[in-house]
Amino acid sequence: DARVTQTPRHKVTEMGQEVTMRCQPILGHNTVFWYRQTMMQGLELLAYFRNRAPLDDSGMPKDRFSAEMPDATLATLKIQPSEPRDSAVYFCASGPSGTSGRASETQYFGPGTRLLVL
Amino acid sequence: AQKVTQAQTEISVVEKEDVTLDCVYETRDTTYYLFWYKQPPSGELVFLIRRNSFDEQNEISGRYSWNFQKSTSSFNFTITASQVVDSAVYFCALSEPYNTDKLIFGTGTRLQVFP
Repeated sequence: DARVTQTPRHKVTEMGQEVTMRCQPILGHNTVFWYRQTMMQGLELLAYFRNRAPLDDSGMPKDRFSAEMPDATLATLKIQPSEPRDSAVYFCASGPSGTSGRASETQYFGPGTRLLVL
Repeated sequence: AQKVTQAQTEISVVEKEDVTLDCVYETRDTTYYLFWYKQPPSGELVFLIRRNSFDEQNEISGRYSWNFQKSTSSFNFTITASQVVDSAVYFCALSEPYNTDKLIFGTGTRLQVFP
């Protein structure tokens, strides 16, 4: 039963500290997404990659957030410096390319990283 | 512009009742996908179903069924004989695969099933 894995599952940190979240997509999925979930904004897309290349990071605050895919089995999301307003659940999702050869079809989500910035 | 509306914020039912969760969407594309995801209290997002815009057949999977009606831009989800384990937040989502991979989520409907 293939799943997206995320680490850590929970993170408590102090304002100003660097936070790194990691994601292992499902083997064979070439599209990887980062979402953030908050009570106020709901689920919002931060960034995504296809074949490790960034396609859209328009939802991400550029000054403090960065997303990378060092290899096909690892995606990272970093926040530096972190702020209390970054407190949220961060989800990674992965999906295969669609039959159209364009966008991915179904996105499968990891368990999320619950981040609290004090 | 794409938009997904889940007007029901919270629904409470007693076990064994049937319950329908509403989803209304807006899109200019003729090719799109609709999804339902379940978020149980543990927090993960579980994929339930994907429906292609060209396939208006209703789908049934056990106690779950989905009614897709393009005429009313709706993709409603019915749970028959609800159980306590169905308690969760349910999200409807839309994607336009010829434009972007982005999923547009509704605000979710919290379903509470009481014993």
